[in-house]
Amino acid sequence: DAGITQSPRHKVTETGTPVTLRCHQTENHRYMYWYRQDPGHGLRLIHYSYGVKDTDKGEVSDGYSVSRSKTEDFLLTLESATSSQTSVYFCAISDSRTSRSYNEQFFGPGTRLTVL
Amino acid sequence: DQQVKQNSPSLSVQEGRISILNCDYTNSMFDYFLWYKKYPAEGPTFLISISSIKDKNEDGRFTVFLNKSAKHLSLHIVPSQPGDSAVYFCAAGGSGTYKYIFGTGTRLKVLA
Repeated sequence: DAGITQSPRHKVTETGTPVTLRCHQTENHRYMYWYRQDPGHGLRLIHYSYGVKDTDKGEVSDGYSVSRSKTEDFLLTLESATSSQTSVYFCAISDSRTSRSYNEQFFGPGTRLTVL
Repeated sequence: DQQVKQNSPSLSVQEGRISILNCDYTNSMFDYFLWYKKYPAEGPTFLISISSIKDKNEDGRFTVFLNKSAKHLSLHIVPSQPGDSAVYFCAAGGSGTYKYIFGTGTRLKVLA
């Protein structure tokens, strides 16, 4: 199993408070991703990173920011949480240093976030 | 606009029979397709993949078929086992990109 951890695993917070989720990898993979999973929507990409300090938006980036100051850590921040951000958040990693021309993503265990 | 669609939210199959999960896509630039399996309270795990230069890829009980002209792929599980009960996601990506678009998932239940 890829070495990916997410913290916290569960969090309940109130509307308007800032929240930061952490993804930590021990695989030295270049790419890191944040997804949210919601019923009827599957997995939707929030932001991704293609290197330290290099990030880009995904399909549902509004209300979220990310930072990657080290290869191993990718942080997702909700500046002012809203109830619509109640979801399960998954971090994923992938790497380009393989012999294949595609690269599957390895997922972390998820963080269940509830915004009241 | 959903670029990757899994039109069946759920599927029930008897143990030992074939499970067929379907996935449709709209973007003809997609070159690589992945299937993931997800158990409750866990992250998705990679199952099998196929590139657009192939129309079939097998790995044990799992086979993925790709019909590029129809923009359709399917995952066959033979024989189905109770441990296969999970949510299955298909994902599609283009050449040279490290981003994938995921479908909404199909919940498979294999009945013992």
